[in-house]
Amino acid sequence: GENVEQHPSTLSVQEGDSAVIKCTYSDSASNYFPWYKQELGKRPQLIIDIRSNVGEKKDQRIAVTLNKTAKHFSLHITETQPEDSAVYFCAASATSGGYQKVTFGTGTKLQVIP
Amino acid sequence: NAGVTQTPKFQVLKTGQSMTLQCAQDMNHEYMSWYRQDPGMGLRLIHYSVGAGITDQGEVPNGYNVSRSTTEDFPLRLLSAAPSQTSVYFCASSGGQGFNSPLHFGNGTRLTVT
Repeated sequence: GENVEQHPSTLSVQEGDSAVIKCTYSDSASNYFPWYKQELGKRPQLIIDIRSNVGEKKDQRIAVTLNKTAKHFSLHITETQPEDSAVYFCAASATSGGYQKVTFGTGTKLQVIP
Repeated sequence: NAGVTQTPKFQVLKTGQSMTLQCAQDMNHEYMSWYRQDPGMGLRLIHYSVGAGITDQGEVPNGYNVSRSTTEDFPLRLLSAAPSQTSVYFCASSGGQGFNSPLHFGNGTRLTVT
């Protein structure tokens, strides 16, 4: 099955700096890569996603890049703010038996220091 | 729309007891799933369903049962609770059988088994 590795597990940055979280996946059939943000005690929520036919996607301060050859994708947050502090999960979605299965990374706890 | 609704929010069980975690969605999503979240292990798929009457196992199905009699509801049953099932449980749904579609999560159920 799919295996998703996520690094780093924790990340501290100064407010205004950039943060980068990296993920690798094993199944070349994976074709959808969402990123979720989970604030303390709350549900995970989608912040950005990318499909396998696209190399990069940007939404204001957040961007995601995908390298299908190397099987890795990354989340970039620029001009970080204290409200960006949360746990971020990457995920890879692949078709299995005709249905889509989502495998999550183990999460990155981001702390933005004011 | 209420989105995905989970009940209860908190539950304490004794070893060997059984219970059902409820999940309902009002978005007419075909795909519904249950995840458990444990520290350092991300979100792991327990069971999923791609429509009424269709369910399948995920990564960690042992000790859990599911059924899908309607599009809206997807309950998770713990047959005989064990301390290893202490976790936070999230129900999630998405449109299009989950194909390249983001997951919408409920608020979670925090379960403690003593």
